[in-house]
Amino acid sequence: EDQVTQSPEALRLQEGESSSLNCSYTVSGLRGLFWYRQDPGKGPEFLFTLYSAGEEKEKERLKATLTKKESFLHITAPKPEDSATYLCAVQESGGGADGLTFGKGTHLIIQP
Amino acid sequence: GAGVSQSPSNKVTEKGKDVELRCDPISGHTALYWYRQRLGQGLEFLIYFQGNSAPDKSGLPSDRFSAERTGESVSTLTIQRTQQEDSAVYLCASRMGGGGETQYFGPGTRLLVL
Repeated sequence: EDQVTQSPEALRLQEGESSSLNCSYTVSGLRGLFWYRQDPGKGPEFLFTLYSAGEEKEKERLKATLTKKESFLHITAPKPEDSATYLCAVQESGGGADGLTFGKGTHLIIQP
Repeated sequence: GAGVSQSPSNKVTEKGKDVELRCDPISGHTALYWYRQRLGQGLEFLIYFQGNSAPDKSGLPSDRFSAERTGESVSTLTIQRTQQEDSAVYLCASRMGGGGETQYFGPGTRLLVL
């Protein structure tokens, strides 16, 4: 059973067209939820860490929010350079593996 | 300072051969992770090192996979008797430790097993 599910798998937007990416997660206890951006042929680039429900973080045109079941990455007035795959990952609390559990990502294309 | 670096960036090998992948973490980062990213799949956790503690090997898919780390510096991931299903991007990440949670990733090594 997937612990982290991202939707949609792919999203094509026009430049300036705002939208949201979803990350649903199932863990017994959340230590942290992470958003990364990955460009083709490169490693994931850190964007945000969220720790508790209600928390929000912003960076330029991106805003990440967190509830007890899911996180949203809102992108406002996107530009073509925002095109990338956006990855969501969770880290469980209470022992166990320290590694992150990733979703499969949302492939975002912003058309000029 | 510099970010996480990995070498080689690309590796092509024949089925049955052994390969070694290298990771240089960010200076001062005590925690180091290896992940695998297969085409169309999410990143999969492989192994975790924290300081001088015993590594967490819970994500290694088989006994053909092993990893070492010298102190708090370089790590090598070794895959013995490679199989075609080992073809993937192998990513290394490091974390500061001491409460710092964010993992910073290297560019990855793209492994193709023919």
